[in-house]
Amino acid sequence: DSGVTQTPKHLITATGQRVTLRCSPRSGDLSVYWYQQSLDQGLQFLIQYYNGEERAKGNILERFSAQQFPDLHSELNLSSLELGDSALYFCASSLSPLDRANTEAFFGQGTRLTVV
Amino acid sequence: AQTVTQSQPEMSVQEAETVTLSCTYDTSESNYYLFWYKQPPSRQMILVIRQEAYKQQNATENRFSVNFQKAAKSFSLKISDSQLGDTAMYFCAFNYGGSQGNLIFGKGTKLSVKP
Repeated sequence: DSGVTQTPKHLITATGQRVTLRCSPRSGDLSVYWYQQSLDQGLQFLIQYYNGEERAKGNILERFSAQQFPDLHSELNLSSLELGDSALYFCASSLSPLDRANTEAFFGQGTRLTVV
Repeated sequence: AQTVTQSQPEMSVQEAETVTLSCTYDTSESNYYLFWYKQPPSRQMILVIRQEAYKQQNATENRFSVNFQKAAKSFSLKISDSQLGDTAMYFCAFNYGGSQGNLIFGKGTKLSVKP
């Protein structure tokens, strides 16, 4: 168990809908990362938060948004869902950003999103 | 652009034997960090081993070791005494200061350990 909790584990929804994925980082970790894993694109970085503020943005669509709350949990909101958004969405957390020495990212078990 | 390439989509090895997974990367940065992650069927991403680019000594974690060749931009993972529980997808990844700390992953290698 990595200590990172993601809910729900599975989600099936229809095209055009909106969903919210939730992530609770390991106790004490300030950085939260969201990644999308799909068969064709592999693991893609979406967005990073550090202590409540957005720190880096990757290949995140405008239909997607995220935030990190004062208690450090994070939510990823996906709207106007399309079939191609079906993927495994991972949250990871670390004490400090990964570009600092001796920092490790711990991953949750992911949320499997299926858009039908 | 920073890229990570894993040229072996699938590999298999007999239990107790040794296998090496390849990874190459492209970057103009001088200081960065390299990682190997394991993703078993449970889909949990688990850190296997980490290497700082400024360290010449290759990292080792029990049965797992790396061969880091900075000039060649190569970072291979050697698994000794393979066990059935090593069956998983293995991802090579790296980050550097300019990436703001996020990880850039390769496409992965599916390793099957056969009894």
